[in-house]
Amino acid sequence: QKEVEQNSGPLSVPEGAIASLNCTYSDRGSQSFFWYRQYSGKSPELIMSIYSNGDKEDGRFTAQLNKASQYVSLLIRDSQPSDSATYLCAVPASGGYNKLIFGAGTRLAVHP
Amino acid sequence: GAVVSQHPSWVICKSGTSVKIECRSLDFQATTMFWYRQFPKQSLMLMATSNEGSKATYEQGVEKDKFLINHASLTLSTLTVTSAHPEDSSFYICSADPGLAFSFDRTDTQYFGPGTRLTVL
Repeated sequence: QKEVEQNSGPLSVPEGAIASLNCTYSDRGSQSFFWYRQYSGKSPELIMSIYSNGDKEDGRFTAQLNKASQYVSLLIRDSQPSDSATYLCAVPASGGYNKLIFGAGTRLAVHP
Repeated sequence: GAVVSQHPSWVICKSGTSVKIECRSLDFQATTMFWYRQFPKQSLMLMATSNEGSKATYEQGVEKDKFLINHASLTLSTLTVTSAHPEDSSFYICSADPGLAFSFDRTDTQYFGPGTRLTVL
């Protein structure tokens, strides 16, 4: 089992819809969770971090964390074509190595 | 805040030459920096963890003698690809962890540089 799993997509949603991106992780002891956005040919950009169970909202983005079920999701409301990118979920590696384990990413395509 | 730069942004070199890539944290000090490589349409691959003042920790399968990492100061890490070959052509990205420099962050957040695209002819 991979440590961080994401559906590779592509996830295609119409403009204005809610895009829902999911991520599961294997380490029950994980305490921090991150969502990065990566446009084609560019480096990843941090968009959300979440540490506690429940929802965390930032503009059109909402991160949801459920530690019991070991999943973290990212909702994008009012999706725009400019949201089309690959979204990477990341979790700190176990063992205190101060590094992140990234999922393979979900490609989101928002069509007008 | 939390700005990371990389230089150069792209480089083309001949096979057999060495290429140095710099990664700088501009508005914070980073005791830990990370180097990644990404091939087209593939996910990020961590190459090594760079700690200021000590030897880098390489991931399994990454040749430490080919990919030399130096983290000489709290704001600068360099990656040197030695004797580059066409198969080394890739997108190299660094990231830095600001630790507790920013009150809203914890010690495991990474901020990425813009990346360096290396093409070896």
